[in-house]
Amino acid sequence: GQNIDQPTEMTATEGAIVQINCTYQTSGFNGLFWYQQHAGEAPTFLSYNVLDGLEEKGRFSSFLSRSKGYSYLLLKELQMKDSASYLCAVRVPSGANNLFFGTGTRLTVIP
Amino acid sequence: DGGITQSPKYLFRKEGQNVTLSCEQNLNHDAMYWYRQDPGQGLRLIYYSQIVNDFQKGDIAEGYSVSREKKESFPLTVTSAQKNPTAFYLCASSPRTQFDTEAFFGQGTRLTVV
Repeated sequence: GQNIDQPTEMTATEGAIVQINCTYQTSGFNGLFWYQQHAGEAPTFLSYNVLDGLEEKGRFSSFLSRSKGYSYLLLKELQMKDSASYLCAVRVPSGANNLFFGTGTRLTVIP
Repeated sequence: DGGITQSPKYLFRKEGQNVTLSCEQNLNHDAMYWYRQDPGQGLRLIYYSQIVNDFQKGDIAEGYSVSREKKESFPLTVTSAQKNPTAFYLCASSPRTQFDTEAFFGQGTRLTVV
């Protein structure tokens, strides 16, 4: 089976930096995705990593270490609107390019 | 505008009834997926389809059925055999062979059994 772990909840202060970790054990690996999901809404794509290293996209960065089965999402200059759940998902080489999701990390940004 | 549309946004069902959730995409994607999301849990795969007239069970297919008669459409039926159907249902699509392209999600359908 597929196992993807994330912390359940995190709290951070507006303007600060927060790092959300994700560890995975999957039957194969075709890339790791991070999505943002506000309550009751659809997940929206944030980042994709398939090679080791850091991918930066504005205030958001994502890191991958395939040998460690580890990724993190780094959010800088936190804003109140960043309060949401952040989902880590791994694409496995089976089925229809299936994505398997962790439970998500609910981030609360406080003033 | 290309996208993926789910309807309805909210759905109420009486116990013992079947109900069908609609999912339509105009992104020309081969692959489509149905996920279920419960409070405090991640997305769990119900069914997926790689191509028209083909679909496979995901991790939690019991009590659900699907069809894929057209590339654009992948409806999900929640049958009376599903013991705990109240949940948020998400449909997604992606290109079948492009690993670096994200899955696109619909806005979701919140199903409540009354």
